[in-house]
Amino acid sequence: AAGVIQSPRHLIKEKRETATLKCYPIPRHDTVYWYQQGPGQDPQFLISFYEKMQSDKGSIPDRFSAQQFSDYHSELNMSSLELGDSALYFCASSLVGQGLSSGYTFGSGTRLTVV
Amino acid sequence: QKEVEQDPGPLSVPEGAIVSLNCTYSNSAFQYFMWYRQYSRKGPELLMYTYSSGNKEDGRFTAQVDKSSKYISLFIRDSQPSDSATYLCAMNGGTSYGKLTFGQGTILTVHP
Repeated sequence: AAGVIQSPRHLIKEKRETATLKCYPIPRHDTVYWYQQGPGQDPQFLISFYEKMQSDKGSIPDRFSAQQFSDYHSELNMSSLELGDSALYFCASSLVGQGLSSGYTFGSGTRLTVV
Repeated sequence: QKEVEQDPGPLSVPEGAIVSLNCTYSNSAFQYFMWYRQYSRKGPELLMYTYSSGNKEDGRFTAQVDKSSKYISLFIRDSQPSDSATYLCAMNGGTSYGKLTFGQGTILTVHP
């Protein structure tokens, strides 16, 4: 079965550079979530989109922005990167009405390293 | 104080042991409770989902919720080396597209 696809799997950037992370949800899923997981930390919610509109916002820095496109894929744009942004970034998708009983399906993540 | 507190472990048990993983929470708005398993370098994978207080069993796994005490548990019976992973509890306030709030995760190692 198709899963949540994230690209790239690994990304190395220098401080103050910009990074773009992509997420392709499960087909027909209408909601996308972004989480940040630091080393040894639990995933922290960043932002979510339902039907291409922002539905909730968590602890996302102002340097980060995200959007969901007409084909439901989502991109997380990160500017002025800092060392502390090094983390695993997960995308998850769900279908409203089924999201909770079936859980959200997570991708394998993008590991961002800022040097 | 974090909304969800999870016993950090790590836990190391022999194969066949019963494992107990626990989380407490402070937000009364949480209505849905989940347990995720995360292998190294992988995304979290849903193990169990519960809504009401009580027990829910699925094979070797039992999820327990006590809303009055704001306490949830996951029991693993007859643990196997393949169960070695990080286990995360997660909660949601009840909206169908709402965010999940995770516990810190417990690293479990089951040795043969």
